Amino acid sequence: KNQVEQSPQSLIILEGKNCTLQCNYTVSPFSNLRWYKQDTGRGPVSLTIMTFSENTKSNGRYTATLDADTKQSSLHITASQLSDSASYICVVGDNYGQNFVFGPGTRLSVLP
Amino acid sequence: EPEVTQTPSHQVTQMGQEVILRCVPISNHLYFYWYRQILGQKVEFLVSFYNNEISEKSEIFDDQFSVERPDGSNFTLKIRSTKLEDSAMYFCASIGREYEQYFGPGTRLTVT
Repeated sequence: KNQVEQSPQSLIILEGKNCTLQCNYTVSPFSNLRWYKQDTGRGPVSLTIMTFSENTKSNGRYTATLDADTKQSSLHITASQLSDSASYICVVGDNYGQNFVFGPGTRLSVLP
Repeated sequence: EPEVTQTPSHQVTQMGQEVILRCVPISNHLYFYWYRQILGQKVEFLVSFYNNEISEKSEIFDDQFSVERPDGSNFTLKIRSTKLEDSAMYFCASIGREYEQYFGPGTRLTVT
């Protein structure tokens, strides 16, 4: 069964600190892996998209990594800001990348 | 920047009633999706739509659900006879040639 797991479930950090969120997947066939940020009550917003041939992708303070062999990905957030408080969702595309399996998300809280 | 829009933002309905959730995807996008997210839970795939027909659907998308693209811009999700457990946020999303998936702001459906 295609699944995406994320850890930790929730995380609290102080403003200015870095953090890393983890994602493991068992989706096959694999097409791409995406990280989304979802503010409470809002739709997810794309941060990064990686295909199997890419092992890192950056978007400002967000850097995603992908190890297609171990089926793991991470999202590293540098110099966190209060506005980074949100859920971060790992999503894996199967088939030709038009079907998506969502992880449960990591709830990040950045405190002043 | 183009965006996916959804109406209404909040819909309250009585159990057994029909509801229609509306979405306007980004023009020239090719794939359209409906997802739902029960409060505090992960985003769940409902249905994907391509070339004016359903491409994939999940187990959740039973006979009570239907989708239509009545004209060149709107994309609707109909729930024929709502149940209490249909209460959730419903997100529409679309993908264009660059495979970036854009989500709408969601419709909060409350079934009483």
